[in-house]
Amino acid sequence: AQTVTQSQPEMSVQEAETVTLSCTYDTSESNYYLFWYKQPPSRQMILVIRQEAYKQQNATENRFSVNFQKAAKSFSLKISDSQLGDTAMYFCAFMKGGVSGATNKLIFGTGTLLAVQP
Amino acid sequence: DTAVSQTPKYLVTQMGNDKSIKCEQNLGHDTMYWYKQDSKKFLKIMFSYNNKELIINETVPNRFSPKSPDKAHLNLHINSLELGDSAVYFCASSQDWQTPLGPYEQYFGPGTRLTVT
Repeated sequence: AQTVTQSQPEMSVQEAETVTLSCTYDTSESNYYLFWYKQPPSRQMILVIRQEAYKQQNATENRFSVNFQKAAKSFSLKISDSQLGDTAMYFCAFMKGGVSGATNKLIFGTGTLLAVQP
Repeated sequence: DTAVSQTPKYLVTQMGNDKSIKCEQNLGHDTMYWYKQDSKKFLKIMFSYNNKELIINETVPNRFSPKSPDKAHLNLHINSLELGDSAVYFCASSQDWQTPLGPYEQYFGPGTRLTVT
């Protein structure tokens, strides 16, 4: 079974600074995908970034980038130039690859609550 | 335009009651999901439907019964509600399962906060 671990329950960062959120996962699969989701106080789940395990290049989306270390099974999220609107719970998630609908489920970590301070 | 909508947003009810949560998506997606977020914010999948067919059932108690009247709707009916059912329930949808390039993005609804007293 796959597991996703986020060891930082809460983090704080000053506005305009950079913060890194940690995530590790455990799987015996070779084909899988990793995601970071953001859940602001509005409760809406928003996809921030995704990484394909077969890609060596780290994904980036504007101020958000990941450090994907496949051998170490580590998938951290870096937020640059933090903004007040980045305040949210951040969830790391895993999905097995494949063409079966049974694999199309997100397995979430426990989340990291990020507070951006003015 | 709301892509994935859920009704109601808040639901307070007593133990033993039966309640339903409705979900509708206007994205033309084939696959819909129910996730549960407990009081510690932990999110876990419950069910997945593809074109009205049940694909994933994650050992959820029989008191929970999803129903998909058409591929744009996936409702969740809960019988004999218990205190432990209090949670936020999220509906999500995606275009389909996966492509050779990877999974389609799952779009989440706003969630329904269920409180059982």
